[in-house]
Amino acid sequence: QQQVKQSPQSLIVQKGGISIINCAYENTAFDYFPWYQQFPGKGPALLIAIRPDVSEKKEGRFTISFNKSAKQFSLHIMDSQPGDSATYFCAASVNSGNTPLVFGKGTRLSVIA
Amino acid sequence: NAGVTQTPKFRVLKTGQSMTLLCAQDMNHEYMYWYRQDPGMGLRLIHYSVGEGTTAKGEVPDGYNVSRLKKQNFLLGLESAAPSQTSVYFCASSSHTGNTEAFFGQGTRLTVV
Repeated sequence: QQQVKQSPQSLIVQKGGISIINCAYENTAFDYFPWYQQFPGKGPALLIAIRPDVSEKKEGRFTISFNKSAKQFSLHIMDSQPGDSATYFCAASVNSGNTPLVFGKGTRLSVIA
Repeated sequence: NAGVTQTPKFRVLKTGQSMTLLCAQDMNHEYMYWYRQDPGMGLRLIHYSVGEGTTAKGEVPDGYNVSRLKKQNFLLGLESAAPSQTSVYFCASSSHTGNTEAFFGQGTRLTVV
């Protein structure tokens, strides 16, 4: 049973456009929702994260929107640049206990000029 | 700062051979993880450890064994490699589970022929 469902699997966006990646979760105990960015040949690295006590978090051109009632969260990349081309993973975990991160299947983003 | 270091970076095995992947972290993290990454499947947790001398099964543990004899090292073993284990393997570590950043290594690309 996939605990975190991510869409789309791939995304092509024009330079300067907005990239939107969506994730949905089932476990209501999840209370930490990070996004990881992975460039080819590299390991994933934390991009931005949110906790359910806020509905939005913004860091530069990257914004997480969180909808607790719908059990959904999304990553928005404003003014997308070719350097943003990477694979993006959403994830979720439970703060308490020894539960590792559960990852979505990833979205391959290509930003074209 | 080395962070999380994986060795080797590449390896080709014949079916039935055994090998050990080594993960070392220099951040004094308690938690360590082994993931495999396959196209369209995202990051799937193989095994993890919540401290020296402890290990636990993840989502896809079959065919793998692990050991955490020292806090800084987490070993992943394949006793009898199968073509289905062809994948990119990532090690990660974190100071806690829950809402803390996981740091990933550069990955090991393993091909089983």
